[in-house]
Amino acid sequence: ELKVEQNPLFLSMQEGKNYTIYCNYSTTSDRLYWYRQDPGKSLESLFVLLSNGAVKQEGRLMASLDTKARLSTLHITAAVHDLSATYFCAVDGGNGNDMRFGAGTRLTVKP
Amino acid sequence: KAGVTQTPRYLIKTRGQQVTLSCSPISGHRSVSWYQQTPGQGLQFLFEYFSETQRNKGNFPGRFSGRQFSNSRSEMNVSTLELGDSALYLCASSLALQGPGYGYTFGSGTRLTVV
Repeated sequence: ELKVEQNPLFLSMQEGKNYTIYCNYSTTSDRLYWYRQDPGKSLESLFVLLSNGAVKQEGRLMASLDTKARLSTLHITAAVHDLSATYFCAVDGGNGNDMRFGAGTRLTVKP
Repeated sequence: KAGVTQTPRYLIKTRGQQVTLSCSPISGHRSVSWYQQTPGQGLQFLFEYFSETQRNKGNFPGRFSGRQFSNSRSEMNVSTLELGDSALYLCASSLALQGPGYGYTFGSGTRLTVV
């Protein structure tokens, strides 16, 4: 069964600092997705990583995928308060299977 | 272009009742998936529909059912509601012929509270 593990689950950062969220998964998959969720809101797509070595950047966030290591990272550069949210990674189960989500990382950026 | 529309946004039901939630996918998207989100279990897959056929089902009891219409709109039904069914129910649509493809677009969700 496909398992997706994120760490850390909770992250409190100071504004201006850098940090990385890790997403490990248990079976082979070439597709990995990152979503953001604000409290009480739905999921907003951040990145779609479709192949080994894929790297995507948007503003202060950068995501990468290593399918051999079954690992994706979401790097936060010079955090600002507006980045406070819960971040989920999700993996395409393949062969018509569903998308499996990690437990989420609740990020709080403090001034 | 319109996103994924879910109705209603909020629902309060009593134990034992049944409920129907509705989802209209993005125009042109034929794949619709449903997820349940709770603080304890996180995001759990319920089922996926494509061209009116259920292609995949998660590990939920038979009280949870769904269907998809010819215009790709989807409904999910929960019968004999239990307190543990209280959750945010999210619908997502995709252009892909199978699975999430280039990713799901999620609706705003229906917040169901069972009392």
